[in-house]
Amino acid sequence: KNQVEQSPQSLIILEGKNCTLQCNYTVSPFSNLRWYKQDTGRGPVSLTIMTFSENTKSNGRYTATLDADTKQSSLHITASQLSDSASYICVVRNSGGYQKVTFGTGTKLQVIP
Amino acid sequence: DGGITQSPKYLFRKEGQNVTLSCEQNLNHDAMYWYRQDPGQGLRLIYYSQIVNDFQKGDIAEGYSVSREKKESFPLTVTSAQKNPTAFYLCASSIPGQRLSGNTIYFGEGSWLTVV
Repeated sequence: KNQVEQSPQSLIILEGKNCTLQCNYTVSPFSNLRWYKQDTGRGPVSLTIMTFSENTKSNGRYTATLDADTKQSSLHITASQLSDSASYICVVRNSGGYQKVTFGTGTKLQVIP
Repeated sequence: DGGITQSPKYLFRKEGQNVTLSCEQNLNHDAMYWYRQDPGQGLRLIYYSQIVNDFQKGDIAEGYSVSREKKESFPLTVTSAQKNPTAFYLCASSIPGQRLSGNTIYFGEGSWLTVV
């Protein structure tokens, strides 16, 4: 069964600090992995996409890594800001069928002053 | 600006009533989706449509119905048969196919449905 597990479930950090969110998946065959940011009560917005051959990709203060061998990804946020407070969802797509995507349950990040 | 518009943002439903959530996109995307999001759970697929006049059940289609008469519109009806409809509903769209850009799912802002 395709699964995507994220940790931690929630996280509180001080403004300006760094943090790392984890995503482990069992989706196969693997196509790509995306990280989405979802503000409370809003739709998710794509941050990064990573394919099998990519192991690091940055988008401003967000850096995603992918280890396709261990089926793990991480999202590192540098110099956090209050506006980073949101849920971060890991989404993995397999290549076996039409838009077969599996969503993680998300990590809820709160950045406090 | 291109995007996905969901309406209403908040909706209250009495038990036994059907309600319809609207979803319109001007991204010229062929594929559209409806997801349900509950606290502590990942998004779950209700229905999806690859092209006009075609749609398929997702993982939790019971108690829901959809139509796809136009490319830009994919309304979701929550029927009285849905026993636990209170949730946050997200409409999405994408370009189907194997191109990398086609794998991005664009989401609307969501609709909150509460049964009273």
